[in-house]
Amino acid sequence: DIVLTQSPGSLTLSPGERATLSCRASQSVNVNFLAWYQQKPGQAPRLLLYAAYLRPTDIPDRFSGSGSGTDFTLTINRLQPEDVGVYYCQQRGASPLTFGQGTRVQI
Amino acid sequence: QVRLQASGPGLVRPSETLSLTCSVSGDMSRFSWIRQSPGKGLQWIGSFSDGGTPQYNPSLRRRVTILGDTSRKQVSLRLTSVTAADTALYYCARENFAYGFLDSWSQGTLVTVSP
Repeated sequence: DIVLTQSPGSLTLSPGERATLSCRASQSVNVNFLAWYQQKPGQAPRLLLYAAYLRPTDIPDRFSGSGSGTDFTLTINRLQPEDVGVYYCQQRGASPLTFGQGTRVQI
Repeated sequence: QVRLQASGPGLVRPSETLSLTCSVSGDMSRFSWIRQSPGKGLQWIGSFSDGGTPQYNPSLRRRVTILGDTSRKQVSLRLTSVTAADTALYYCARENFAYGFLDSWSQGTLVTVSP
């Protein structure tokens, strides 16, 4: 299995700041098969980015992604109170589909 | 836009079989079951695609069956010989064929394994 390790485990920032979340894979992941999700308390995860940096149409451009190979990054610019939650990376480049353990963002 | 609704018993006895149904409003394509243990992360259980072979997480393969009924627009999950470790919030989600991301999720349905 491809293990995805996210860091930091949690971070606390102020509104307007930038959050940088890391996802490191135990082996190389095709960039097309790396996605990010946001999970707010009591809700199902919500797709934020796919193919490492592509945004669904309903996701604001404050959310951006980068990376390749084994290292991927989710950046949240201009943090807002509604960005509180846990963020997960996910890969589908190899079976089984796996998720990182999550990064908790508090504001 | 597809809408998904997961349903099933909230309580299952140890050693029995957990059965859940995902009802799909929209086109049938590829759907995955994912679970989240209390306070824990996300674990992919397996997927069904119309016309394809189900895929399973090797860690659960011996106990899992995922089937689809395109006429009723439902995807079912069966997990046999459950233990307390199978207590979790269970989600179904639509999986994109090309990129493998999960773009629509059901609400979670909590299944507790307890005597």
